[in-house]
Amino acid sequence: GQSLEQPSEVTAVEGAIVQINCTYQTSGFYGLSWYQQHDGGAPTFLSYNALDGLEETGRFSSFLSRSDSYGYLLLQELQMKDSASYFCAVRDNSNTGKLIFGQGTTLQVKP
Amino acid sequence: SAVISQKPSRDICQRGTSLTIQCQVDSQVTMMFWYRQQPGQSLTLIATANQGSEATYESGFVIDKFPISRPNLTFSTLTVSNMSPEDSSIYLCSVKERSGANVLTFGAGSRLTVL
Repeated sequence: GQSLEQPSEVTAVEGAIVQINCTYQTSGFYGLSWYQQHDGGAPTFLSYNALDGLEETGRFSSFLSRSDSYGYLLLQELQMKDSASYFCAVRDNSNTGKLIFGQGTTLQVKP
Repeated sequence: SAVISQKPSRDICQRGTSLTIQCQVDSQVTMMFWYRQQPGQSLTLIATANQGSEATYESGFVIDKFPISRPNLTFSTLTVSNMSPEDSSIYLCSVKERSGANVLTFGAGSRLTVL
């Protein structure tokens, strides 16, 4: 089966950089994804890593190390609107390719 | 990306009753996924709904409690049957985007409160 671990909460100040880590255990690996969910909203896709290294999308970057079963989401130049929950997710090896989500990290950005 | 309309957005239900949640997608999709999210918790997959076949349920979820219909490639329903307060949760439908196998688009969710 699959399992993912990420910190439950992170706090940072506006303008800072924050890193949210995710370690995973899977029977087969098909990439690590990150989703953002604001309070009361739907989860939205942020980024995806299939191969080792860094993927950058604006202020957000995501990193993957398959040998370490580890990834992280890096948020730069934090803004108040970045306060949200962030979930890492892996795709399982079933024919449906369903996503299994981590427990989520609540990021609080303070002024 | 796909646009998903989900309703009801919220409801308050009495113990023992059933409620059906509808999910409409603006494009044809092969698979639709139903997730549950309890307050402050992660997303737990209930089942995968393929058009033309029985839904595939995850461990801990059964068809009698969460019957799913998938009559065509743009629509699905999830029924929460014989509800109890433990069923109070947000129920989300989602579809896999063609842009990537790991990219899901979610509906806005249906927030159910069972009294």
